[in-house]
Amino acid sequence: GPKVLQIPSHQIIDMGQMVTLNCDPVSNHLYFYWYKQILGQQMEFLVNFYNGKVMEKSKLFKDQFSVERPDGSYFTLKIQPTALEDSAVYFCASSLGRQSNERLFFGHGTKLSVL
Amino acid sequence: GDSVTQTEGLVTLTKGLPVMLNCTYQTTYSPFLFWYVQHLNEAPKLLLKSSTDNKRTEHQGFYATLHKSSSSFHLQKSSVQLSDSALYFCALDSGYNKLTFGKGTVLLVSP
Repeated sequence: GPKVLQIPSHQIIDMGQMVTLNCDPVSNHLYFYWYKQILGQQMEFLVNFYNGKVMEKSKLFKDQFSVERPDGSYFTLKIQPTALEDSAVYFCASSLGRQSNERLFFGHGTKLSVL
Repeated sequence: GDSVTQTEGLVTLTKGLPVMLNCTYQTTYSPFLFWYVQHLNEAPKLLLKSSTDNKRTEHQGFYATLHKSSSSFHLQKSSVQLSDSALYFCALDSGYNKLTFGKGTVLLVSP
C-alpha cells in the first residue's frame, strides 16, 4: 500500500545545533502533517501544511520550528536551535484531502535525541 | 480542549480470548473517532473509524461502536491472535485531520 518514508530513523545531535527531519509523503497526497511523541506520552499534533503554507499549528510548534516542501521534494521539519525538550519521536503523515474521513498515512517516525 | 483517554497501558491475553480496549473522549464538536494500530518497527496504520452514533464498524476482525451518549469508542475482538500484538491508539479528529491521540494501549498476546 501507499507508504510515507521518514529519513533518518534516528538522529542524535547536541543541544543548540540545527536538525532537519525529512519526510517523503505518499506521491499524490496534498496535505502534510507532523506529530510529536515524547517517550511515554501520546502523539501530539504539531503542524499541517498545504500548498506551500502552514495551515494550522499547535502551541508545541515553537518559533524554532519550521516546515517546508521545496519543489515537491521532501516535506521537512527543521528545528533551529534544538533544545533538550525537543527529544521525541517525530511522525510525518500525509493525506489526499483535509476532511475528517480522509485517511492519514503515517511514517515510521524519526527518533530525535538531543544531548 | 479535546482529549482522549485510554485507561489501559498494557493488556496481556492468551490467544483465542476476547479483548476490549477502552477509549473515551471529550470534545465540544461532532466527534470523529479512529483506532490506529502500530506493530513493532512499523508505522501507525488506520484500523477503524467512525462518526456515526450507535453503528458498529468492523475491520480485520476488530470492531467498535461510537456511543455519543457515553463518549466512548471501545475496540473489541472476539478472538485475539498472536499477530494482534501491537500498540493501539485511539484518536479524535479535532478538525481537518488534526488528531488528538490517547496514550495508547499495548496488547500482548501469548500462545
